[in-house]
Amino acid sequence: KAGVTQTPRYLIKTRGQQVTLSCSPISGHRSVSWYQQTPGQGLQFLFEYFSETQRNKGNFPGRFSGRQFSNSRSEMNVSTLELGDSALYLCASSLVPQGTDTQYFGPGTRLTVL
Amino acid sequence: DAKTTQPNSMESNEEEPVHLPCNHSTISGTDYIHWYRQLPSQGPEYVIHGLTSNVNNRMASLAIAEDRKSSTLILHRATLRDAAVYYCILRDGDQAGTALIFGKGTTLSVSS
Repeated sequence: KAGVTQTPRYLIKTRGQQVTLSCSPISGHRSVSWYQQTPGQGLQFLFEYFSETQRNKGNFPGRFSGRQFSNSRSEMNVSTLELGDSALYLCASSLVPQGTDTQYFGPGTRLTVL
Repeated sequence: DAKTTQPNSMESNEEEPVHLPCNHSTISGTDYIHWYRQLPSQGPEYVIHGLTSNVNNRMASLAIAEDRKSSTLILHRATLRDAAVYYCILRDGDQAGTALIFGKGTTLSVSS
């Protein structure tokens, strides 16, 4: 079974631009979560989607948004990019959004904002 | 979510057992103890989880204290591939939602 895939793997943008990252969960998984990883803040939860609905959101500004499609694929968008948005963005999928469910992470998208 | 405390770093030699401690003194009755690890340049991966009893799988063992205020992840024979950051995370089993609240974790170094 294929793992979680994220595209693109690397991205370079300039301040003020917007970016869209894509995540394809493991087949059959219906829950997708996004995380941001930076050297200073570590791994931080962004948001979680299940059945095309955002179920939970972390403490990030409204510039960060996401959506989930009927096939469970998810995208996240960051508008008006800032230098501090440079990070590794990780997507994780699980069967259902339960506290005991295992999350499977993708390799991440490395975003650099210049 | 209840918080966990882990040492910043630990060192081990290849082929030796490694015991990674985690303190969670404010754990609630419905909190599961999860361990994830992140190898260099990769996303985190699930290692093991448990509620009250000790657990074993092909990757590791999880020893949970009787009062559940601490736990230990045991790697029985460390390999170079086990060098990673290990995260101990509490998750409420009664609560819907998948958010993992990561702390700083323990960076494990393995020497040959």
